[in-house]
Amino acid sequence: GAGVSQSPSNKVTEKGKDVELRCDPISGHTALYWYRQSLGQGLEFLIYFQGNSAPDKSGLPSDRFSAERTGGSVSTLTIQRTQQEDSAVYLCASSLGSSSGAGDTQYFGPGTRLTVL
Amino acid sequence: KQEVTQIPAALSVPEGENLVLNCSFTDSAIYNLQWFRQDPGKGLTSLLLIQSSQREQTSGRLNASLDKSSGRSTLYIAASQPGDSATYLCAVGDYKLSFGAGTTVTVRA
Repeated sequence: GAGVSQSPSNKVTEKGKDVELRCDPISGHTALYWYRQSLGQGLEFLIYFQGNSAPDKSGLPSDRFSAERTGGSVSTLTIQRTQQEDSAVYLCASSLGSSSGAGDTQYFGPGTRLTVL
Repeated sequence: KQEVTQIPAALSVPEGENLVLNCSFTDSAIYNLQWFRQDPGKGLTSLLLIQSSQREQTSGRLNASLDKSSGRSTLYIAASQPGDSATYLCAVGDYKLSFGAGTTVTVRA
């Protein structure tokens, strides 16, 4: 079946502009995650959605970052007033979801490479 | 805060040799541990998930062990092939994964 898809695959923007990154999870997966992979910081958790519960936003680095998930499926990560340090690969993952919060296998998309000039 | 360390950072072996990749973590109160593979320019592929109550998981040529008391996991890849060349990442946590920096493996034909 289809895996996690992300768009665009590459995004180049100018400092100060807003960007939106999209994630389509695997059908039937109730949990969705965003991570960021940068050279200096490795892979970092950003945000987690589980069903209709309030998202865990504890990994968002600043209030310029926000994410939403519409209809329990597609998710959009928005970065406002981009800075050069926002340059990274943004990875989305989904999983079947666990009501206990114990975690299950996460399936990752190919990522969006963001470059802020 | 959970700290995850992977040693070595890079490894080069001839084809057919067994691979041993190490992962250590500071907080033993983990829910599960996952091993992923990442190919250049691509996302992560899940290899194995070990739940906190388990000691090991096996899939084909891959075997991963978990020792919570010592805060360690080891990924064994038997009879390595050039196609095994990739970066291998270890991650621990519940839904919020903490990743190691990875071990980049090169298998020479």
